[in-house]
Amino acid sequence: GNSVTQMEGPVTLSEEAFLTINCTYTATGYPSLFWYVQYPGEGLQLLLKATKADDKGSNKGFEATYRKETTSFHLEKGSVQVSDSAVYFCALSDREGSNYKLTFGKGTLLTVNP
Amino acid sequence: DAMVIQNPRYQVTQFGKPVTLSCSQTLNHNVMYWYQQKSSQAPKLLFHYYDKDFNNEADTPDNFQSRRPNTSFCFLDIRSPGLGDAAMYLCAIQGDFTDTQYFGPGTRLTVL
Repeated sequence: GNSVTQMEGPVTLSEEAFLTINCTYTATGYPSLFWYVQYPGEGLQLLLKATKADDKGSNKGFEATYRKETTSFHLEKGSVQVSDSAVYFCALSDREGSNYKLTFGKGTLLTVNP
Repeated sequence: DAMVIQNPRYQVTQFGKPVTLSCSQTLNHNVMYWYQQKSSQAPKLLFHYYDKDFNNEADTPDNFQSRRPNTSFCFLDIRSPGLGDAAMYLCAIQGDFTDTQYFGPGTRLTVL
């Protein structure tokens, strides 16, 4: 079956530091890959996605590249801000019958200090 | 503008007292999902609708039911909430020609 393994947190950084959150996946098909962000007390917001090998998703300074050879989709940001403090979920979407099913990693809590 | 609206944002119920959570969408997408998310965990899929077709996950307890009276609205009914059902409940929609799910803000359920 499909699975997603992401870096365990919590991750604590100072403002303007470089961020990497590792994510690797196992899938039987050709999934799309996602990063979702969840701010305290809120739902999940789509941060970025990539649908095929070598695609790069990017949004709000965050980037991730779909690497089929290493089955990875690591999230990076060059300079984090306090407002980036949140839980980040890596996920893959694969077709299952009439719909697509999301498989999530366990989430990584990021705290950015001023 | 919000695509997925969940009401209420916070719900308190008593042990064993039925409760209904509401989700609506502004885009008339065919697929709607309900997830349960407990503290410090990833969301767990309870069930989904493809149009009017209801699809239950194998491990979703019978205590959880759902209704979708029309394309825009979907309800989650918890028939007899237990303390273990306290969680954030997330509704999501999926576009007709995409595999991307968009989530609502969630309803935080407290069971006393």
